[in-house]
Amino acid sequence: NAGVTQTPKFRILKIGQSMTLQCAQDMNHNYMYWYRQDPGMGLKLIYYSVGAGITDKGEVPNGYNVSRSTTEDFPLRLELAAPSQTSVYFCASSYDSRPPYEQYFGPGTRLTVT
Amino acid sequence: DQQVKQNSPSLSVQEGRISILNCDYTNSMFDYFLWYKKYPAEGPTFLISISSIKDKNEDGRFTVFLNKSAKHLSLHIVPSQPGDSAVYFCAASETDSNYQLIWGAGTKLIIKP
Repeated sequence: NAGVTQTPKFRILKIGQSMTLQCAQDMNHNYMYWYRQDPGMGLKLIYYSVGAGITDKGEVPNGYNVSRSTTEDFPLRLELAAPSQTSVYFCASSYDSRPPYEQYFGPGTRLTVT
Repeated sequence: DQQVKQNSPSLSVQEGRISILNCDYTNSMFDYFLWYKKYPAEGPTFLISISSIKDKNEDGRFTVFLNKSAKHLSLHIVPSQPGDSAVYFCAASETDSNYQLIWGAGTKLIIKP
């Protein structure tokens, strides 16, 4: 049981490039989330999904896109990378959104845009 | 504006003593609070939670206290152990916002031997 996996662990992008951050979970969770964490700040929700085919915006969705074609996978797409997108990105999943269901996190992807 | 605030960026505690991590919030509609722990190069892991209908929840060495009138919660770790050295995040959710978690900036706890 691998839990939540994320690839890559690190990436450096040039301004204007695009990339996809991969996230997969093997816990059969319905809910999946993408967060970003900037230095000295808390996690901010980018997008979330309540099941395959259903996604919704979080607090900071601009510059990102997501898709959820299967229960297991929830990739995050960055189009036209900007320095403001330099951050650590975490993917998470949960069985349900309602407490006390906890979110399980992947190890993160550290992205630098220069 | 930050709805969840952890005003201490870091805290240093002697091994065996009590660690107290604090969290303040501004949104009175928050009805569930969680603490997560994060080691370097890893994602956060769930530690303990509390519903707004309670004022205390205990799990082993970890106890969370909630003071709704002061909009304040605290995490107590007794006794503190070297493995407790990590960043601790406070997070809050509200039923009417689809339970989205709002996170504090974290407090780095250092346990001194």
